[in-house]
Amino acid sequence: AQSVTQLGSHVSVSEGALVLLRCNYSSSVPPYLFWYVQYPNQGLQLLLKYTTGATLVKGINGFEAEFKKSETSFHLTKPSAHMSDAAEYFCAVSATGRRALTFGSGTRLQVQP
Amino acid sequence: KAGVTQTPRYLIKTRGQQVTLSCSPISGHRSVSWYQQTPGQGLQFLFEYFSETQRNKGNFPGRFSGRQFSNSRSEMNVSTLELGDSALYLCASSRGQGGTDTEAFFGQGTRLTVV
Repeated sequence: AQSVTQLGSHVSVSEGALVLLRCNYSSSVPPYLFWYVQYPNQGLQLLLKYTTGATLVKGINGFEAEFKKSETSFHLTKPSAHMSDAAEYFCAVSATGRRALTFGSGTRLQVQP
Repeated sequence: KAGVTQTPRYLIKTRGQQVTLSCSPISGHRSVSWYQQTPGQGLQFLFEYFSETQRNKGNFPGRFSGRQFSNSRSEMNVSTLELGDSALYLCASSRGQGGTDTEAFFGQGTRLTVV
């Protein structure tokens, strides 16, 4: 069984500041990990994924995440926030080789001018 | 390349009715999954189909069912609608099953309102 915990349902940063969205997971098998972004009234867009290999994963729009097995974490970062980054972000986990995703409760990112 | 298409985008139904939602995956994708998104419960996995067979099922009552056709298109049906079924229903398609090919592409969703 898998589960995902996203710390902080709301995060507010200033434009140009570092973005850090936290995700911790639990999984009984090696996990695949994902970050998705959702804009209002839209579906989910994949930002990045970790399956195997390099633990530092780079995604779209300047986001990256690091898989830390010892900390069971997969935090999402972006060096400099842009107004267009304001959205809801979801961390998700799936068991190796399976399709079903277990999502965290989401973090709404607000970017202040 | 066309994305995942869900129809209709918005739907209003009366309690007790049934509803069918449709999802056309990306061309060449054989796996279709369905998720329910509500403010209270968040994103929850409903079921997944691959090659016309249900491969995984989430913890939802039997009123929720689905199927997949030979062209990979999928439909989801909810019978005897309840107010609590009001949600955004998201469909996701993936190329295959297993291995590292796990990237799921989501449609824009169908917003179902039960009154």
